Amino acid sequence: DAGVIQSPRHEVTEMGQEVTLRCKPISGHNSLFWYRQTMMRGLELLIYFNNNVPIDDSGMPEDRFSAKMPNASFSTLKIQPSEPRDSAVYFCASSLEVNTEAFFGQGTRLTVV
Amino acid sequence: GENVEQHPSTLSVQEGDSAVIKCTYSDSASNYFPWYKQELGKGPQLIIDIRSNVGEKKDQRIAVTLNKTAKHFSLHITETQPEDSAVYFCAARDSNYQLIWGAGTKLIIKP
Repeated sequence: DAGVIQSPRHEVTEMGQEVTLRCKPISGHNSLFWYRQTMMRGLELLIYFNNNVPIDDSGMPEDRFSAKMPNASFSTLKIQPSEPRDSAVYFCASSLEVNTEAFFGQGTRLTVV
Repeated sequence: GENVEQHPSTLSVQEGDSAVIKCTYSDSASNYFPWYKQELGKGPQLIIDIRSNVGEKKDQRIAVTLNKTAKHFSLHITETQPEDSAVYFCAARDSNYQLIWGAGTKLIIKP
């Protein structure tokens, strides 16, 4: 398996623009997680899905952030409108079940200018 | 809720020496403690984990110990090599199955 695939690897956008990050989890994995990593706050769980259903989105910072998982092989994290403080590395991870090993993608480095 | 503290934030050791990273957690109900290694430009990768019914686990040069009474667990790397240089994260799984992460330790292996 190719592992968790995220796109794009890098994204530079202007403040106010919409940003969409994409994730393809490992085939057969039932749980998917979106994390944000910054120097100041470390790794933060934003939201996770189990069997395509959002289970806990308490980590989503604001209404500007939204995530979807229309099917078992694809998820998106959208920021609209983006702000400079959203600049971070966003990771997607998947696991067989919610309480098993999480496999991370390579991340998307987002820069909002 | 669960809180995980990790020390030190940076650790520099001579190649061939041992490295120890320590974490403490607050929720006595936590029962799973993984360690992840993150290399530059990559996502974290699981290197070893331990469950609360075990006190120690080894995998070649790496080992993890768990003290449930004191609520702390440690990562031990022996005979360190240049490729061990990375950021290491500990985590604890809380009662909601969420991983609560430590702040990370940057390990530097000096040649």
